[in-house]
Amino acid sequence: LAKTTQPISMDSYEGQEVNITCSHNNIATNDYITWYQQFPSQGPRFIIQGYKTKVTNEVASLFIPADRKSSTLSLPRVSLSDTAVYYCLVGRTGGGNKLTFGTGTQLKVEL
Amino acid sequence: DSGVTQTPKHLITATGQRVTLRCSPRSGDLSVYWYQQSLDQGLQFLIQYYNGEERAKGNILERFSAQQFPDLHSELNLSSLELGDSALYFCASSVEVWDGERNEQFFGPGTRLTVL
Repeated sequence: LAKTTQPISMDSYEGQEVNITCSHNNIATNDYITWYQQFPSQGPRFIIQGYKTKVTNEVASLFIPADRKSSTLSLPRVSLSDTAVYYCLVGRTGGGNKLTFGTGTQLKVEL
Repeated sequence: DSGVTQTPKHLITATGQRVTLRCSPRSGDLSVYWYQQSLDQGLQFLIQYYNGEERAKGNILERFSAQQFPDLHSELNLSSLELGDSALYFCASSVEVWDGERNEQFFGPGTRLTVL
C-alpha cells in the first residue's frame, strides 16, 4: 500500500506559479497518480491524472519522474479562488488494488 | 454539482447505534467508492463497488459494511458506532476505465456523521 506524503501548507500570491509535491515511495507498477482539489464542506474535485512523464490540461500540469516515487502538481498563475486543500491520490482499483490519499496540502493564495 | 447525491446531509446519533448512508452515482457510472474524512486521519478509502460487486477494499472496519444495488445506488452501513466514527463520509462514482489518463471520480457533497 503506497504511503503518500505532502507538505502541510503553502502560501502564494496571485499570479504566481505553485508547485506541490507528493512523495509516494512505495508506488506500485500499475498505480496511477491523481490530484484533487477540495474546498471546505465540499467533496474533492478532480484536477489531473497521470501515469508517467508529463500531463497537462486546461488548469494544471503534472510532472512524474522516471522512478515515479514522487509527483508534482503545477498550478500556473494562481488566483484567490485556488485557495483550497490539494490531495494526491495514488493507486488504481480492480484486481485487489487500493487507493491511498496523501496527507493534503493547504494552499493559501493572497493578493 | 457533480451529479452524485448523498443522503442524509447530517446525521447525529449515539454511541452503539447503527446508521445507513445512501449514495446515488452519476447517471451511467457503474463504480461507487466510499471514503471517510476525519481531522486526524485525513481522507481514507473504505471500499469500492463496481456494477454490484465489491472491487477493492481499503481501511474499512469490520463494523462497517456496504453494498451496491441493481439500480447502482449504494449504501454504507455503520454499526456499533463509536465517538471516533464521527467524520465526513463521501461517496464518489466513476466510469472505471483505467486505459488512459482520466479515470475521474466525481464526489458527492458528503454526509456529516456526529456520534455523541
